[in-house]
Amino acid sequence: EAGVAQSPRYKIIEKRQSVAFWCNPISGHATLYWYQQILGQGPKLLIQFQNNGVVDDSQLPKDRFSAERLKGVDSTLKIQPAKLEDSAVYLCASSLALAGVEQFFGPGTRLTVL
Amino acid sequence: TQLLEQSPQFLSIQEGENLTVYCNSSSVFSSLQWYRQEPGEGPVLLVTVVTGGEVKKLKRLTFQFGDARKDSSLHITAAQPGDTGLYLCAGLPSGAGSYQLTFGKGTKLSVIP
Repeated sequence: EAGVAQSPRYKIIEKRQSVAFWCNPISGHATLYWYQQILGQGPKLLIQFQNNGVVDDSQLPKDRFSAERLKGVDSTLKIQPAKLEDSAVYLCASSLALAGVEQFFGPGTRLTVL
Repeated sequence: TQLLEQSPQFLSIQEGENLTVYCNSSSVFSSLQWYRQEPGEGPVLLVTVVTGGEVKKLKRLTFQFGDARKDSSLHITAAQPGDTGLYLCAGLPSGAGSYQLTFGKGTKLSVIP
């Protein structure tokens, strides 16, 4: 069974530029998550989708971050404009159900904002 | 916000030693998960505990959920270099409509051959 795919694996941009990350979850997983993991910290949930609907985006900085999962399968996360403090690993995860089950994580995209 | 405090933050031990890492909160969780994350990879689930006082064993790893479901511990017996990694606990808050996992900052374990 293929795992969660993410691209790119690494991205370096300058502040105020835009960037987009892509995630393809495990086939059949209805729930998709985007996490931000700053160096030395645990993952912080940015947004959670159930199929193509948003379940929780309370910690998403909506003035600069956006995410979509239009067809209920793959998803993109965008940052526009980027700030220095956005430097982090962005992890995508998926699960079969909404809560209390195993989340399968992708390898992440390491973003460096200069 | 439900906070999970993990300790110690860093741990470096020799191969063959035993160790325990802790995950504590003032909040009650309906379930708690432990993940291990290796450099350049996403976290991988080790175990889920759901019942207060529950103990689960996974080979040399023993996980315990506190009676009040506010804390958990992970004990590793005879650590091996392959155990090196970042150990994260993540809790699902109790209560209706709670879908968001809260992660601790992790314990970074290094096992020296």
